[in-house]
Amino acid sequence: RKEVEQDPGPFNVPEGATVAFNCTYSNSASQSFFWYRQDCRKEPKLLMSVYSSGNEDGRFTAQLNRASQYISLLIRDSKLSDSATYLCVVNLNTGKLIFGQGTTLQVKP
Amino acid sequence: NAGVTQTPKFQVLKTGQSMTLQCAQDMNHEYMSWYRQDPGMGLRLIHYSVGAGITDQGEVPNGYNVSRSTTEDFPLRLLSAAPSQTSVYFCASSYQKNTEAFFGQGTRLTVV
Repeated sequence: RKEVEQDPGPFNVPEGATVAFNCTYSNSASQSFFWYRQDCRKEPKLLMSVYSSGNEDGRFTAQLNRASQYISLLIRDSKLSDSATYLCVVNLNTGKLIFGQGTTLQVKP
Repeated sequence: NAGVTQTPKFQVLKTGQSMTLQCAQDMNHEYMSWYRQDPGMGLRLIHYSVGAGITDQGEVPNGYNVSRSTTEDFPLRLLSAAPSQTSVYFCASSYQKNTEAFFGQGTRLTVV
């Protein structure tokens, strides 16, 4: 079993749609969690950190469920510019980041 | 703001050649790491360092060496390149072990 699992997609949605991605992790000792965005095999860039209380940044909302060991990302009012691959990332409190395979989002006009 | 700088951006090697991928950061980050990214595989950790003089293996360390003589630099050495090492390599750094990582722009390596 992979340490961090994501549905690779692709998710094809129209502009303005709401889309949600989920990610599960296997190591209960995981300490910190992130969503990264990656465009066309460029470097990953931090989208947002994920906190136990949930957090929101504009159209993006991230949730963490430690009991069930999953992380979610919700994107509201999708824009064409949201088209990218979204990477779920788990930190084991050792400085090591474990990446999911990534979920591809295509937003269509 | 330089951040994390990787060189070269592109490289073609012949099987058996050696080379060093350079990574430098100017943010005084203690944690640095190397990843490779292959289609359908996500990013996989090769080696990482929690500070100058300290390195450890990640998920896929075979065929690669690292050293960390300074806080700023974390070079990755390919001792004898193989076609299986054709990949995109990313270097990353983070301030603390629980904080987000910042990535370099990547090195696209082809081994023929």
